[in-house]
Amino acid sequence: EDQVTQSPEALRLQEGESSSLNCSYTVSGLRGLFWYRQDPGKGPEFLFTLYSAGEEKEKERLKATLTKKESFLHITAPKPEDSATYLCAVGGGADGLTFGKGTHLIIQP
Amino acid sequence: KAGVTQTPRYLIKTRGQQVTLSCSPISGHRSVSWYQQTPGQGLQFLFEYFSETQRNKGNFPGRFSGRQFSNSRSEMNVSTLELGDSALYLCASSPGQPSTDTQYFGPGTRLTVL
Repeated sequence: EDQVTQSPEALRLQEGESSSLNCSYTVSGLRGLFWYRQDPGKGPEFLFTLYSAGEEKEKERLKATLTKKESFLHITAPKPEDSATYLCAVGGGADGLTFGKGTHLIIQP
Repeated sequence: KAGVTQTPRYLIKTRGQQVTLSCSPISGHRSVSWYQQTPGQGLQFLFEYFSETQRNKGNFPGRFSGRQFSNSRSEMNVSTLELGDSALYLCASSPGQPSTDTQYFGPGTRLTVL
């Protein structure tokens, strides 16, 4: 059974204070690792897809990296509008995407 | 290009009733997946359709069912509603196989069961 664990569950940062969110996974055969951002009352918004260990992708203040056991979402000099819940998911076998519980990020001005 | 649309956005039902939710995928996308999101369990996979065929099903009771039409639009149905079915139901579409292709989510349907 595929499993995804995200840490920390919640994170409060000052504006400009960089940090990283962790996504640890176990899957029989990784077919893709996905990062999403979700704002309250809305559907998840796609951020990144990673397919193989060593792969990195960047978008504005966000950078996602992937190893064989975990992925990190690095947030550099965050702004208040980066506040959201960040979700990690893996595609493996026959159970669609398996999601972690998410990291609730708050950026204080 | 228009995103994934879901209707209705909000729904209030009573126990024992049934409900049908609708999803229109991004134009050209052939795969539609459904998820249930609750505060306690997070996002859980319900089922996945590709070219009108159910390809995978999550660990939910038979009260949850779905279908996909030839235009890729999808519906899910929940019969004999229970209080625990209150959740945000999310639909996602992807061009091909959902486990490898990026899935794009709609805004969700908020279902409240009284």
